[in-house]
Amino acid sequence: AQSVSQHNHHVILSEAASLELGCNYSYGGTVNLFWYVQYPGQHLQLLLKYFSGDPLVKGIKGFEAEFIKSKFSFNLRKPSVQWSDTAEYFCAAAGTYKYIFGTGTRLKVLA
Amino acid sequence: DAGVTQSPTHLIKTRGQHVTLRCSPISGHKSVSWYQQVLGQGPQFIFQYYEKEERGRGNFPDRFSARQFPNYSSELNVNALLLGDSALYLCASSLGPLYPDEQYFGPGTRLTVT
Repeated sequence: AQSVSQHNHHVILSEAASLELGCNYSYGGTVNLFWYVQYPGQHLQLLLKYFSGDPLVKGIKGFEAEFIKSKFSFNLRKPSVQWSDTAEYFCAAAGTYKYIFGTGTRLKVLA
Repeated sequence: DAGVTQSPTHLIKTRGQHVTLRCSPISGHKSVSWYQQVLGQGPQFIFQYYEKEERGRGNFPDRFSARQFPNYSSELNVNALLLGDSALYLCASSLGPLYPDEQYFGPGTRLTVT
C-alpha cells in the first residue's frame, strides 16, 4: 500500500538549534517527493521538491532535504532554525495522478 | 495575482444532506485537485481534474463527486453526508499537464456535519 510516514508529530526546538524531520515513503513505481509547510494562519505552500537528479535538494528559507532511495527516505533539514519556522510540515509522495501526504509534524521554535 | 479561492469558508450541514464546495484556480492553471483534511491528519487526496476530465481518484466512496468547468473552476459534491465527513476540504491548482506538479493550495472550506 502507498503511504508516507512522518516519525515526529511534535518537535520543540530553541532558536539556532538544528532541525531534522524524518519522512519515509512506500510507493510503487516512480515517485516524486515534496515537503509542504503551513505557517500559522496561512495556506499550505511548497517548501521543496525532488523529481530526479541530485538527491540533495534545496528549498526556500534555508531548508534542504536528502532523498535516500535505499532507505525510502526524504528527510528535511535546516542547520539553524528561527522562531519564524514555527509551523506544520508535511511530507508528500506523488506519482501518476495521486498525491499522498504524511500526517504532519508540528514544529515549535522557542525564541 | 489572486491565489486559489474557495467558497464558502465555513459550512454547517445535517446528516443526510448534500453539499457543494467551490474552487477557483490560479489564473492559467488548468489542473484542480481536492483533498480532505481531518484534524490531526495530513490532506487525503480525493480527486484530480485536468482539462475538465477526471485524471485521478482517491479512496473515497461514490458519495463524493466533482467536476471541472470550461473556465477551470471546480465543484466538489458530497451526498448523504455523514458525521465523518466533517473536515477541512482543500482545493489545489497546478499548471498541468505534468503530474505530479507543485500544488498551490487554497484556504479550504471547513465543513461541519451535525
